[in-house]
Amino acid sequence: DADVTQTPRNRITKTGKRIMLECSQTKGHDRMYWYRQDPGLGLQLIYYSFDVKDINKGEISDGYSVSRQAQAKFSLSLESAIPNQTALYFCATRGQGARNEQFFGPGTRLTVL
Amino acid sequence: AQSVTQLGSHVSVSEGALVLLRCNYSSSVPPYLFWYVQYPNQGLQLLLKYTTGATLVKGINGFEAEFKKSETSFHLTKPSAHMSDAAEYFCALNTGNQFYFGTGTSLTVIP
Repeated sequence: DADVTQTPRNRITKTGKRIMLECSQTKGHDRMYWYRQDPGLGLQLIYYSFDVKDINKGEISDGYSVSRQAQAKFSLSLESAIPNQTALYFCATRGQGARNEQFFGPGTRLTVL
Repeated sequence: AQSVTQLGSHVSVSEGALVLLRCNYSSSVPPYLFWYVQYPNQGLQLLLKYTTGATLVKGINGFEAEFKKSETSFHLTKPSAHMSDAAEYFCALNTGNQFYFGTGTSLTVIP
């Protein structure tokens, strides 16, 4: 079984709709991240969390919100989706310590019409 | 400020040829550096990482990278390209709490 799972894997929605992307991990990591990937732009950090009570904005948090329901779960919400938010979204986890790498989920491809 | 620059958004090599993907970084503190690979419709997988110690780092699938502080570089190499190496490659920098990713290099392997 995958250590980091994301649901759904693909989603098509309409402008103005609320949508939630979910991430679960079995690695026991405290740190979780949400990124979006656009062609030619690499990965941009949306939000990150170091534990259940800790939520931090990344470089492109406008239009997004997150919820850390448990150590293993970190959800990303688009309150009112817009076409500009069409992208590939990745969840990642990392153990404590700056030397540790991030482990990525398989991604959610979101299309906003 | 921390940043990562990957030179060349697209690189093409012939099968069996040397693979060289370039990464330069900017960091005000000692960096931890990573290379990730992304195959189509998949998430990112770690290829290798540099934390401290030996500056030549070996990773999976025959890849290696050398940390050169004087050049602020962490280029990725593989002596002989294989068709299965075709993918997107990302260089990343971690100086503490956040990762900074380059914009990626798409590697094409020509048979």
